[in-house]
Amino acid sequence: GENVEQHPSTLSVQEGDSAVIKCTYSDSASNYFPWYKQELGKRPQLIIDIRSNVGEKKDQRIAVTLNKTAKHFSLHITETQPEDSAVYFCAAKGMNRDDKIIFGKGTRLHILP
Amino acid sequence: EPEVTQTPSHQVTQMGQEVILRCVPISNHLYFYWYRQILGQKVEFLVSFYNNEISEKSEIFDDQFSVERPDGSNFTLKIRSTKLEDSAMYFCASSGPGATGELFFGEGSRLTVL
Repeated sequence: GENVEQHPSTLSVQEGDSAVIKCTYSDSASNYFPWYKQELGKRPQLIIDIRSNVGEKKDQRIAVTLNKTAKHFSLHITETQPEDSAVYFCAAKGMNRDDKIIFGKGTRLHILP
Repeated sequence: EPEVTQTPSHQVTQMGQEVILRCVPISNHLYFYWYRQILGQKVEFLVSFYNNEISEKSEIFDDQFSVERPDGSNFTLKIRSTKLEDSAMYFCASSGPGATGELFFGEGSRLTVL
């Protein structure tokens, strides 16, 4: 089955700097890659997603890149702000509509003042 | 905006007791899921449900677990005889007929087994 690896597990970044979180997946049939932000005690919230027919997608300060050949995808947050502090999960999903989403282990992002 | 709703938000139970967690998915959604998150760990897939039957289940979803859609709106997760290690946040999720496959998560039900 699908396995998603995520690095780093913890990341501290100075406010205003950029943060990058990297993931790899194992199943070449996966074609949907969402990123979730989870604040303490809350549910995972989708912040951006990318499908396998696209190499890059951007939404304001957040961008995601996908290298399907290497089975890598990354989240980039620019101009980080205190409210970006949270746990971020990458995930992968197969092409069938009822396929499950498999999550990475998460990255705890600390934005330092 | 439509949301997935879950009840209860927090349940405390004694080991060995049965627990039912309830979810109301978004009304036009067809695919339903339960996920579990032990404190500080990743979100783990338990089971997916489509067309009134289980589509897929993980190794975690053993015989003590069951799911049901009893009335066309609720989607329930039953844990028959709870163990200490079942303590976790349980998230229900649903997705619609569209091509994106985006999952919409409920707020979660925190289960504490004593």
